[in-house]
Amino acid sequence: DAKTTQPNSMESNEEEPVHLPCNHSTISGTDYIHWYRQLPSQGPEYVIHGLTSNVNNRMASLAIAEDRKSSTLILHRATLRDAAVYYCILRPYSGAGSYQLTFGKGTKLSVIP
Amino acid sequence: DTAVSQTPKYLVTQMGNDKSIKCEQNLGHDTMYWYKQDSKKFLKIMFSYNNKELIINETVPNRFSPKSPDKAHLNLHINSLELGDSAVYFCASSQDPHEKLFFGSGTQLSVL
Repeated sequence: DAKTTQPNSMESNEEEPVHLPCNHSTISGTDYIHWYRQLPSQGPEYVIHGLTSNVNNRMASLAIAEDRKSSTLILHRATLRDAAVYYCILRPYSGAGSYQLTFGKGTKLSVIP
Repeated sequence: DTAVSQTPKYLVTQMGNDKSIKCEQNLGHDTMYWYKQDSKKFLKIMFSYNNKELIINETVPNRFSPKSPDKAHLNLHINSLELGDSAVYFCASSQDPHEKLFFGSGTQLSVL
C-alpha cells in the first residue's frame, strides 16, 4: 500500500493560515490524494481530494506538487473548530484498494486563540 | 437528519456476551463500511459492502459478522466479546468506491 508521512502535530494561531504537509513519494499514477479530519469525539470528515491539479472547496485548498510526491492542505483562516487530526490518504481509483481508506497517524492540529 | 446514524452510541458489556451495532444511512449510497479505532487512535477498515455484497473483509476474527439486510443498513454483530474488542466502531457510506465517505459518530464499545 502506498504510504504517507505527516508531522505528528502542528500549532496555529486563530485566524491565520495553516499549511499541513504530506509526503507520498511512492504514489502511483492512479492514486488520488484524499484529506479527512477527525474532530474530538467525532467520526472522520471528508475535507478535499485531488489527483494532479490544485483543488479548492469551501473548507480548504489542496496544493499538489508537480511530481505528485507531496501535497499540502491549506486552511485559509484557522478557527478553533478546525482543531482536529488531519489525515492524508492515498486512495487507488480502481481495484479492491479503492473500497477502503487506509488511515495513518495523521497530524494533530492545535489552534491557539 | 443525520446522514449516517449508528446505535447505540455507547455499549458497555461483559466478556463473553454477544452484541450488535446498527448502522443506517439515508443518503442512498451503494457502499457501506465498518472501521475500528483502537485505544491508540488508529483507524482500520474491517468490512466493506457494495450493493449488499461483501467486498472487503480484513483480518477480522470470525466472531465479527456484518449483515446487510438492504443497501441502507449494515449491522455489525459480535459474538463472544473479548477485552481486546473495546474500541470505537465507525460506520461509513459512500455513493461508490471512488466517492467521499460519510462517517457516523461512532459507537464506543467497552468490554469489562
